[in-house]
Amino acid sequence: NAGVTQTPKFQVLKTGQSMTLQCAQDMNHNSMYWYRQDPGMGLRLIYYSASEGTTDKGEVPNGYNVSRLNKREFSLRLESAAPSQTSVYFCASKGQGAHEQYFGPGTRLTVT
Amino acid sequence: GEDVEQSLFLSVREGDSSVINCTYTDSSSTYLYWYKQEPGAGLQLLTYIFSNMDMKQDQRLTVLLNKKDKHLSLRIADTQTGDSAIYFCAESPFASSASKIIFGSGTRLSIRP
Repeated sequence: NAGVTQTPKFQVLKTGQSMTLQCAQDMNHNSMYWYRQDPGMGLRLIYYSASEGTTDKGEVPNGYNVSRLNKREFSLRLESAAPSQTSVYFCASKGQGAHEQYFGPGTRLTVT
Repeated sequence: GEDVEQSLFLSVREGDSSVINCTYTDSSSTYLYWYKQEPGAGLQLLTYIFSNMDMKQDQRLTVLLNKKDKHLSLRIADTQTGDSAIYFCAESPFASSASKIIFGSGTRLSIRP
């Protein structure tokens, strides 16, 4: 099992450009999450998906959209990147009734 | 609102015990977690405690929960260089759904020789 995979690992965008961060899990988990991590602020939830076909806003959803393409994949889209979106983005997944969220290795995004 | 607070840094000597503290505000929190993040990696669950417990021990790790003061601590006995990481405290009202987990800002643990 690969666990949770994320692509790309690094990305530099110019202000106004768009991009999609990809996440996939092979653990048959129902729930998937997107977080951003900024220095001194811990992880903040952007969006989550309780199951295939559903998505919900988290703490900081503005400027982002998500798609739960199927049970395995949950993508995060920045339509018009801003410097404030410079961050490390983590995808995570969790099985039904489980305690542990499994995290991907992260995508480091810089918006100039 | 929900909030989880931790100090940002802790430095201990190799072989000593490390104690990382956390306070939370949501009295409905059912599960409290400690996650570890090594450099360049995602978070990994270290341990968790259910809110009706006071203490949980797992090898070198001891978790203490004071529900009255909403205070959680993680003690690492015989701290080793491999314990250098950022440790996140987190809370969740329940684990049976996709409900949110609220993370603290993380405590960076550094080990002195």
